[in-house]
Parts: sequence; structure tokens; C-alpha cells
Amino acid sequence: DSGVTQTPKHLITATGQRVTLRCSPRSGDLSVYWYQQSLDQGLQFLIQYYNGEERAKGNILERFSAQQFPDLHSELNLSSLELGDSALYFCASSVGPILQETQYFGPGTRLLVL
Amino acid sequence: DAKTTQPNSMESNEEEPVHLPCNHSTISGTDYIHWYRQLPSQGPEYVIHGLTSNVNNRMASLAIAEDRKSSTLILHRATLRDAAVYYCILRDPDGGSQGNLIFGKGTKLSVKP
Repeated sequence: DSGVTQTPKHLITATGQRVTLRCSPRSGDLSVYWYQQSLDQGLQFLIQYYNGEERAKGNILERFSAQQFPDLHSELNLSSLELGDSALYFCASSVGPILQETQYFGPGTRLLVL
Repeated sequence: DAKTTQPNSMESNEEEPVHLPCNHSTISGTDYIHWYRQLPSQGPEYVIHGLTSNVNNRMASLAIAEDRKSSTLILHRATLRDAAVYYCILRDPDGGSQGNLIFGKGTKLSVKP
């Protein structure tokens, strides 16, 4: 158990819909990262927050957005969903923002868009 | 970040050592070598990292070539639980990728009983 929690575990929705994925980092961790894992693209970085502020952006679509709240939990919002958005979404956390720190991953949310 | 090359898959027998290679011929002097693994149906987990010297921890050992153009993750006694995809990742503390990890395709390790 990494100490990172993600809800829900599974999500099935239809094209065009909007969903919210939630992540609670390990106690004491200030950085949260979101990654998407699909069969054809592998694991890809989406976005990073550090202590409530956006710190880095990766291959995140404009239809996707995220935020980190004062209690440090984070939410990833996916809107106007398409079939290709079906994937595993992982959240990871680390103590700070720097590169050499270990990232701890949650169990993921499996999203299926029908 | 510099690129890494790993074999797509490897097989091992249970309780035997496993050597997982990683080539990183364009590594810079400040790149750290990190290894993560992803067990089936789980998120990735940290295994080990190093810069120049060989490193050991409770999970594995990391052997780094003298010229740093390659490294090897060593699992001393593979168990069935070690069956996973292993990712070798270079991280430059001065690079522009902030904190995120850049995953390649990794090596899928199968362990036979």
C-alpha cells in the first residue's frame, strides 16, 4: 500500500459526458502528479501540482483540467469524453517538487467510455 | 530527458537471479538512473536509483557501468511476485521536466515457477 488513494476504482460512462477522478496523496506529500496509461500510448504524464499550484504540464488535453485543494487532495476533471479517453488514470505523490524524490503511485482509476 | 533502451521482455525462473539491462548511451553527467516497476493491475512503484556508484536496497541492486552508458537492475532471487514491467528512467535534476517521470515501454519480466 503506497498510501495514495484514488476514487473511484472503476468508472463507466458515455461519450460526451464529464467525470471527476479524485486523489488523496500520502500524508505529508505536497506534490501530486496525474498520469494516463493507455494500451497504445503507455504511461504518459498529464499534470503536476505542488502545494496547490500547477507546476508542470504534460500531454494534457484542453478538455481535461485538474486542481489541488488546500487539504492537498487533487481532482482530475475529464469532459466531453471520447472513446479514446478510455484508460487507466494514475495519481502519484511526492514530498516536494524536485526530480530525485520518489513518487508513490495510487492504484489507479480505470475509465471506460462507451 | 535522455532516452533509454530496454528489451521488450525477459523470462526468469523462480529463485534465480535476474539481470535487467538498460542502455542509455546519451546520458548526461547529471542524469540519475531510476527504476520503477509496475505489477499487474497496480500503479508503478519505485525500485531503486543511482548516479555513478552501484546501489543496493532491500528490493534490488543497481549496477552502473563505469562510462554510465548502461546499467543493470539485479533481482537476486526472483519470486513470482516480481513478475512485472520494469522501467528504466533517466532524470536530470537540472532538466525542464520538473518532477514528472517519463516512462518508456519497459521490460516485461515473466517468472516461471
